[in-house]
Amino acid sequence: AQSVTQPDIHITVSEGASLELRCNYSYGATPYLFWYVQSPGQGLQLLLKYFSGDTLVQGIKGFEAEFKRSQSSFNLRKPSVHWSDAAEYFCAVVTDSWGKLQFGAGTQVVVTP
Amino acid sequence: DTAVSQTPKYLVTQMGNDKSIKCEQNLGHDTMYWYKQDSKKFLKIMFSYNNKELIINETVPNRFSPKSPDKAHLNLHINSLELGDSAVYFCASSQGGAPTDTQYFGPGTRLTVL
Repeated sequence: AQSVTQPDIHITVSEGASLELRCNYSYGATPYLFWYVQSPGQGLQLLLKYFSGDTLVQGIKGFEAEFKRSQSSFNLRKPSVHWSDAAEYFCAVVTDSWGKLQFGAGTQVVVTP
Repeated sequence: DTAVSQTPKYLVTQMGNDKSIKCEQNLGHDTMYWYKQDSKKFLKIMFSYNNKELIINETVPNRFSPKSPDKAHLNLHINSLELGDSAVYFCASSQGGAPTDTQYFGPGTRLTVL
């Protein structure tokens, strides 16, 4: 069965520091990969997605993610976090033809002054 | 101009009641989805409609019934509500439902069953 693992439930980072969120997937082929962000009390917003091609993907809000086939990973990074980046981050995959998103458990990011 | 809207935002009700959540998108998309987010923030798809036709129907109790009167609307009706139905329900839409299409999410409806 396919699955998405986000090993870190909670990460605390200082404002201005770099951030890396881990995501691993379990699937025979390369799935379609997504990162979504959920701000408190809000819906989800797409940060970036990867289907094929260049394995380093740029997204909105200064985020990027790197696909590594050998590690079945799609980690999200930001060089310098802002207080507004405090949110829940979800990695997700699509493995079917109908766009059924399968989400990881999420990583909560807390930004300290 | 809200792209995907849901009503109500909050819904508090008693066990055994029947309730509906409405979703509308003004993006001109063909595909709409319902997701459930539980108390641990785990998100799981429930249903998807493409041009008013049901295309994804995950293992959910048959007390949950989606209805799509037109492709801009996807409502969720829940019969005989149970405590375990308490969750945040998100509606989403995408252009055509292809795996590469971005899904746009509504703000969510927080359902509390007492």
